[in-house]
Amino acid sequence: GAGVSQTPSNKVTEKGKYVELRCDPISGHTALYWYRQSLGQGPEFLIYFQGTGAADDSGLPNDRFFAVRPEGSVSTLKIQRTERGDSAVYLCASSLAGAGDTQYFGPGTRLTVL
Amino acid sequence: GENVEQHPSTLSVQEGDSAVIKCTYSDSASNYFPWYKQELGKRPQLIIDIRSNVGEKKDQRIAVTLNKTAKHFSLHITETQPEDSAVYFCAASNYQLIWGAGTKLIIKP
Repeated sequence: GAGVSQTPSNKVTEKGKYVELRCDPISGHTALYWYRQSLGQGPEFLIYFQGTGAADDSGLPNDRFFAVRPEGSVSTLKIQRTERGDSAVYLCASSLAGAGDTQYFGPGTRLTVL
Repeated sequence: GENVEQHPSTLSVQEGDSAVIKCTYSDSASNYFPWYKQELGKRPQLIIDIRSNVGEKKDQRIAVTLNKTAKHFSLHITETQPEDSAVYFCAASNYQLIWGAGTKLIIKP
């Protein structure tokens, strides 16, 4: 079956603009995770959904970042008033159940804030 | 919270030799330890994982060992090949993955 997909693959925006990044998890996976990866570093946890609810959003850096998963499948990461420091690759992963399950990653969205 | 340290940051080995990457973690509640391989510009790919009720796991040329008492785990790659060149990340989890900083593995022909 299809793996995790993310759109767009690349997004270039100007400082102060709003962006939305989309993640389509593997069908049937109840858990969904967002990570952010800067060049030369490991992924940094942002938020974890179990079904429709955010089970842990402790990794969101500030209130400009918000994510939703209204039907328990597709998720959207929303960033308001983008800053140059938000530039990174945003990775989405899904797992079948949740805690301790293997996480499968999408290809990522490379966000560049000019 | 959990903290994962990974060493070395860069590892260069001769093709055919073995490579070992080591990680330590701080949270004794962590119970799942995956290893991911990431090639430049691509997504992390799971190569092997181990759970806290197991001490060692092997899959062909790749093995992982876990010492829960010392809170460390290691990745072993034997008979290295050029296609093994990549960045390898360890992670520890009781639900969210906390990642090490990565090891750039270079296989010299």
